[in-house]
Amino acid sequence: DAKTTQPPSMDCAEGRAANLPCNHSTISGNEYVYWYRQIHSQGPQYIIHGLKNNETNEMASLIITEDRKSSTLILPHATLRDTAVYYCIVRVSFQQAGTALIFGKGTTLSVSS
Amino acid sequence: ETGVTQSPTHLIKTRGQQVTLRCSSQSGHNTVSWYQQALGQGPQFIFQYYREEENGRGNFPPRFSGLQFPNYSSELNVNALELDDSALYLCASRPYTLNTEAFFGQGTRLTVV
Repeated sequence: DAKTTQPPSMDCAEGRAANLPCNHSTISGNEYVYWYRQIHSQGPQYIIHGLKNNETNEMASLIITEDRKSSTLILPHATLRDTAVYYCIVRVSFQQAGTALIFGKGTTLSVSS
Repeated sequence: ETGVTQSPTHLIKTRGQQVTLRCSSQSGHNTVSWYQQALGQGPQFIFQYYREEENGRGNFPPRFSGLQFPNYSSELNVNALELDDSALYLCASRPYTLNTEAFFGQGTRLTVV
């Protein structure tokens, strides 16, 4: 079962910041939060991930609350090419040392000019 | 450096048949995972392979099986195909270290008729 909850859709004007929220209230202490996006049923594209500290890379910033029960992905200057389904994901671990990305239903972000 | 490649890109099978999907992992990546994505849904974890052994499995029946080869490439086999097996099958690879991202291939679109 999914461990994350996201709004089904969001709109953003081109050039503005897009802030995508995610709830993961049942996350365990050693489980990472990952964000991927998917365009037109292509393979998901990695964006960013974190455990408890805020993270930033060339694509986005990830803000994780202190209690780790929610996070926000920030695309600082959205472009039309950022229109996609954005997945907030919890990575879980198995006893055999394997890991899995547990996807939810994602947020469809529509960027318009 | 080549990315994750999957073959074939599209496939049509008849209910009851068997199918084999193939994945070549990204250079240097020794861990491979498979996901099933039904239309309009997020990807669902099937299983993961490391050092030719399955080390994590999602909620899929035994007719979903896999292999990993010494060169880290992998196969997904599905026996006794059902109509509900129609989906995009995604392969993802990563190095076997805890704090890394997985890279996805473009997927194989399987249609069962």
